[in-house]
Amino acid sequence: SYELTQPPSVSVSPGQTATITCSGDKLGGKYPSWYQQKPGQSPMLVIYQNSERPSGIPERFSGSNSGNTATLTISGTQAMDEADYYCQAWDSSTAWFGGGTKLTVL
Amino acid sequence: QVLLQESGPGLVKPSETLSLTCTVSGDSISSDYWSWIRQPPGKGLEWIGYIFYSGSTNYHPSLRSRVVISVDRPNNQFFLKLRSVTAADTAVYYCARGAVTSTSGYFYYYVHVWGKGTTVTVSS
Repeated sequence: SYELTQPPSVSVSPGQTATITCSGDKLGGKYPSWYQQKPGQSPMLVIYQNSERPSGIPERFSGSNSGNTATLTISGTQAMDEADYYCQAWDSSTAWFGGGTKLTVL
Repeated sequence: QVLLQESGPGLVKPSETLSLTCTVSGDSISSDYWSWIRQPPGKGLEWIGYIFYSGSTNYHPSLRSRVVISVDRPNNQFFLKLRSVTAADTAVYYCARGAVTSTSGYFYYYVHVWGKGTTVTVSS
């Protein structure tokens, strides 16, 4: 089993920077991904391979990873970024998800 | 643009087998890792497993004894069967397209396309 720990909630004011963390043993070497899920929708990939953005994902989304912690950063947060965010990593041939972080933009 | 659509019964009785189909359009199942992921009501995501287009599979260890994922390449579909279901298997089930890549010798997996999901309730 491999555990990924995320804060249950993060709040940010519009235009400010939101930071969501994901912690796991030796996560720095596991190239995690991040997914955004808005209410009633399926998840969407926003970051993969630590810091790569898929086509169509705004530049305000960035990722970093070192040691035991990966970080999703949203610069200039907009109201449309309010969603649940999940980190995911691959370990022992299994995909593991963090518990999710609810980002509130207020 | 590849699209994935789940289909199957929305209600399954306890102890029976949950069966879902994912139909892929816009691309052929000739590469990548075709996956199932679920989300219980109000909870987080749980990876169930994947099938590579060649037919090799990989399952979450907690579900390995009950799950089978298979593929029908000519019809561009893949399937999930989960046997001996209980109320704990009630969830939104997503089919998805995953990729496995390696960097510095480390292999890792991520999901880059998701279906819309289908709700399955286990109840008598």
